[in-house]
Amino acid sequence: DTEVTQTPKHLVMGMTNKKSLKCEQHMGHRAMYWYKQKAKKPPELMFVYSYEKLSINESVPSRFSPECPNSSLLNLHLHALQPEDSALYLCASSQVAGPANEKLFFGSGTQLSVL
Amino acid sequence: AQSVSQHNHHVILSEAASLELGCNYSYGGTVNLFWYVQYPGQHLQLLLKYFSGDPLVKGIKGFEAEFIKSKFSFNLRKPSVQWSDTAEYFCAVNADTGFQKLVFGTGTRLLVSP
Repeated sequence: DTEVTQTPKHLVMGMTNKKSLKCEQHMGHRAMYWYKQKAKKPPELMFVYSYEKLSINESVPSRFSPECPNSSLLNLHLHALQPEDSALYLCASSQVAGPANEKLFFGSGTQLSVL
Repeated sequence: AQSVSQHNHHVILSEAASLELGCNYSYGGTVNLFWYVQYPGQHLQLLLKYFSGDPLVKGIKGFEAEFIKSKFSFNLRKPSVQWSDTAEYFCAVNADTGFQKLVFGTGTRLLVSP
């Protein structure tokens, strides 16, 4: 199994809603990532988890709250989002978080629309 | 801070034509360089990577890329494209700081007409 699975594939939410994005991998990878990709823009790193601990937070607003309950799962909790947060949210994993030449395996993403 | 430039935003080629996609990065230290590809409706996947050794790197599906340190470039090439190469191609760089912080270029959409 060389897949990173993300659910849901699509999500529409209001600005007062609370929702969660889920990501799962069974490759034994110990590093997991959240990226955000706006339309016609490149993916931008949000968070890096290494061995279930948050290692990098790229100054992401607190309305995005990541969680790594175990080595196979990564969640992104969403609360009080803004319309400009609408984007494709990509999860990725790699065997380890360093060295920096590690290959990333990406999921297909969750397309989020905030109304 | 690192940045990556891909100057070709859209490229249209006929089958069997040769391909070269430009990628330049700005970072003075040691870098690891990647090309990722996203086929229509599919997830991002690694095409090839360079981190040391021979600056000419061969990847999957007949792609190769050449790292030219003096030009801060990592251009992607393929001698003869196929219709199935239609995809978006992203160049990415990661400074060798011991952590994965990939910075992506803006991407190049390649359309290969049969």
